[in-house]
This record gives sequence, structure tokens and C-alpha cells, in this order.
Amino acid sequence: DSGVTQTPKHLITATGQRVTLRCSPRSGDLSVYWYQQSLDQGLQFLIQYYNGEERAKGNILERFSAQQFPDLHSELNLSSLELGDSALYFCASSVGTASYEQYFGPGTRLTVT
Amino acid sequence: QKEVEQDPGPLSVPEGAIVSLNCTYSNSAFQYFMWYRQYSRKGPELLMYTYSSGNKEDGRFTAQVDKSSKYISLFIRDSQPSDSATYLCAMKTTSGTYKYIFGTGTRLKVLA
Repeated sequence: DSGVTQTPKHLITATGQRVTLRCSPRSGDLSVYWYQQSLDQGLQFLIQYYNGEERAKGNILERFSAQQFPDLHSELNLSSLELGDSALYFCASSVGTASYEQYFGPGTRLTVT
Repeated sequence: QKEVEQDPGPLSVPEGAIVSLNCTYSNSAFQYFMWYRQYSRKGPELLMYTYSSGNKEDGRFTAQVDKSSKYISLFIRDSQPSDSATYLCAMKTTSGTYKYIFGTGTRLKVLA
């Protein structure tokens, strides 16, 4: 158990809808990272927050947004969902802003029908 | 061309075999090289990391980095069925634009 928690475990929704994925980092970790993992693309970095502020942005679509709250938990919002958004979404955390070591949560499996 | 390339496998080996997993990369700004293991329906977990070039050993696992060839390897000695998982390489920059890039992963199956 990495100490990173993610909810929900599974999410099934329809195209055009909006969902929110939640992540709580390990105790003491200030950075939160969001990743999307699909069969053909592998693990794609979406966005990083450090102590409430956005630090780095990857291949995140404009339909997606994230934030990190004062208690350091983070939420990833996905809107106007498309079939191609079906994937595993992982949250990871680390102590610092540019740590080599990231601790991953169990993931949220999103299915868009 | 992807910045990090990894053969997806699958790779099947008998128990006790030496396994070699590899990645190539194109960005010379990468300085940290990591290997993660991901069991089915779980999140990746960090196995080993190497900074810059050289070898690093941890039990049955050895990580090698050859920066001149832009090639990294993970060797697993005396492989066990419990090693069956997907292995992802990852690389990180230390200056300039932050990049932490994962390979697509190699699926390994160790047969009892």
C-alpha cells in the first residue's frame, strides 16, 4: 500500500458528461501528479500541483482541469467526456516538487459509454 | 518519434531465468532513470532509480544506464513467478523544462 488513495475505483458514465476524480496524497507529500493510462498510449503525464499551485503541465486536454486544496488532496475534473477518454487515471505523490520517486495510488478506471 | 521507447513484449521466460528489459531514449537532458513495476489492476511502484550513468544493484535487480548510447536496462536474476508484471522505465530531467516520461511498459510472464 503506497499511502495514496483515490476514489472512486470505477466510474461508468455517458459521453458528454462531467466527472470528478479525487486523490489524497501520502502523509507529508506536497506534490500531486495526475496520469492517464491507456493501452495504446501508456502512462501519460497530465498535470502536477505542488502545495496548491500548478507546477507542470503535460498532455492535458482543455476539457480537463485539476486543483489541489489546502488540505493537499487533489481533484481532476473531466468534462464533455468522449469515448476516447476511457482509461485508467492515476494519481501519484511525492515529497518535493521534482522528486524522482513518485508513489502511485490504485487508480480510477473510467469507462465512457 | 517518442522520447522514450520500450518494447511492449510480452516476454515469457521460465522460472530461474535472467530477464533483460530495455529502454532507449532521445532526450539527452534526462538525468534520472527509474524502473517501476506494475501488477495487473494496480498502480506502478518504484523498483529502482539511477542518477546519470552507471550500474546499481538491489538484490536480484540490477539497473544499468549507458548515456552514450541513450540506453537503459533492468536485469532480473533468478526470476520468480511473482515477478510477472509490467515493467515501466521512466526518465526525468533535472534542469530546464520539467519532464518525467514513462515508457509504455514491457509485460513479463515468468512461468513456473
